[in-house]
Amino acid sequence: QLQLQESGPGLVKPSETLSLTCTVSGGSISSSSYYWGWIRQPPGKGLEWIGSIYYSGSTYYNPSLKSRVTISVDTSKNQFSLKLSSVTAADTAVYYCATSAVAFDYWGQGTLVTVSS
Amino acid sequence: AIRITQSPSSLSASTGDRVTITCRASQGISSYLAWYQQKPGKAPKLLIYAASTLQSGVPSRFSGSGSGTDFTLTISCLQSEDFATYYCQQYYSYPPTFGPGTKVDIK
Repeated sequence: QLQLQESGPGLVKPSETLSLTCTVSGGSISSSSYYWGWIRQPPGKGLEWIGSIYYSGSTYYNPSLKSRVTISVDTSKNQFSLKLSSVTAADTAVYYCATSAVAFDYWGQGTLVTVSS
Repeated sequence: AIRITQSPSSLSASTGDRVTITCRASQGISSYLAWYQQKPGKAPKLLIYAASTLQSGVPSRFSGSGSGTDFTLTISCLQSEDFATYYCQQYYSYPPTFGPGTKVDIK
């Protein structure tokens, strides 16, 4: 069974870039069966899809965040990563990595990222 | 983007109750709808995909129905472990979008 684990700084300053990595175990990130994605949830609020990547490198971003988001994959490390630039307090959220064969089948535990000076 | 609404936003129920949550899409999405359960401090868990297909390991008291724009999630006999927030999500088109959630708590 696939397992996903997010890692990265829990505190980011305003205007800087948020960087997170998701490490995949129990399967290969090069599998053609899955897309690999990022979803976030501000404290006490709902879920927002940020973007997804296929093992080939094809990316899909939420139009509301597209100008600030980059998702990449490192097949040698079985990882994929998120970069979100020019962050503000509105980007404070729990960030989840997830995989989708159909819907979002497997999720990481999530990591809280706070944007504050 | 396709907008997803859910009703009710919250409900109180007792163990053993039958609970129904409704999800509506702003345009037709065929059966490209999933339901998730989220407990406090935890990641969402996929319950149902393709509107009515139970994810492996999910108890049979959960069921989903609908197609097009209107969908329902039913819990036939609420158990203590079912008190949580439930989200629906469409994956018919990009960007995938979630409903605002329905919180099920103890009456």
